[in-house]
Amino acid sequence: NAGVTQTPKFRILKIGQSMTLQCTQDMNHNYMYWYRQDPGMGLKLIYYSVGAGITDKGEVPNGYNVSRSTTEDFPLRLELAAPSQTSVYFCASSTYRESGANVLTFGAGSRLTVL
Amino acid sequence: AQTVTQSQPEMSVQEAETVTLSCTYDTSESDYYLFWYKQPPSRQMILVIRQEAYKQQNATENRFSVNFQKAAKSFSLKISDSQLGDAAMYFCAYRTRPLVFGKGTRLSVIA
Repeated sequence: NAGVTQTPKFRILKIGQSMTLQCTQDMNHNYMYWYRQDPGMGLKLIYYSVGAGITDKGEVPNGYNVSRSTTEDFPLRLELAAPSQTSVYFCASSTYRESGANVLTFGAGSRLTVL
Repeated sequence: AQTVTQSQPEMSVQEAETVTLSCTYDTSESDYYLFWYKQPPSRQMILVIRQEAYKQQNATENRFSVNFQKAAKSFSLKISDSQLGDAAMYFCAYRTRPLVFGKGTRLSVIA
């Protein structure tokens, strides 16, 4: 089972460049998330989606955009890369359960460096 | 705002011994969920254990167990019979929706 797949695993960007981090899951999960993890810190939520066509901001959305045209895919776009966006990015997905006890399945992470 | 605090940036334990990682959280919610995630050097986030706040019984998964004190808003993780493969960053997380993470505790296991 592939689970959650993120690409690329590593990327170096110059200030002002744009790029898209791809995320796809094959578990038919309704919920998808993008987190960033800065050195020595926990994960902070950037954006999340509760289903195709629906996205919402998390804790640190500035400088990012997302779209959710299909259940499987949830790309994260950086329009004008800044050094502050140097981080490791994690995509995750989960099922929807009324109880809210959603267990997240994480991708392997994408390390982005902005110089 | 919900916050999650892990006060131990680093811990170490001898192989086969027991270690407890601390976590406190702040919330005004009455119904929520708590998780411990493990992040080995591969960076993959792996669920270790979860606890529903409405359940008084502490969750247990093999060598991993929690001490959930709802009134004190405390959710510690106990690892028994520590193994070399347990060495990782451990993150406590809280959720109603979505998930809020602590800063993590780096666990080293000494052979």
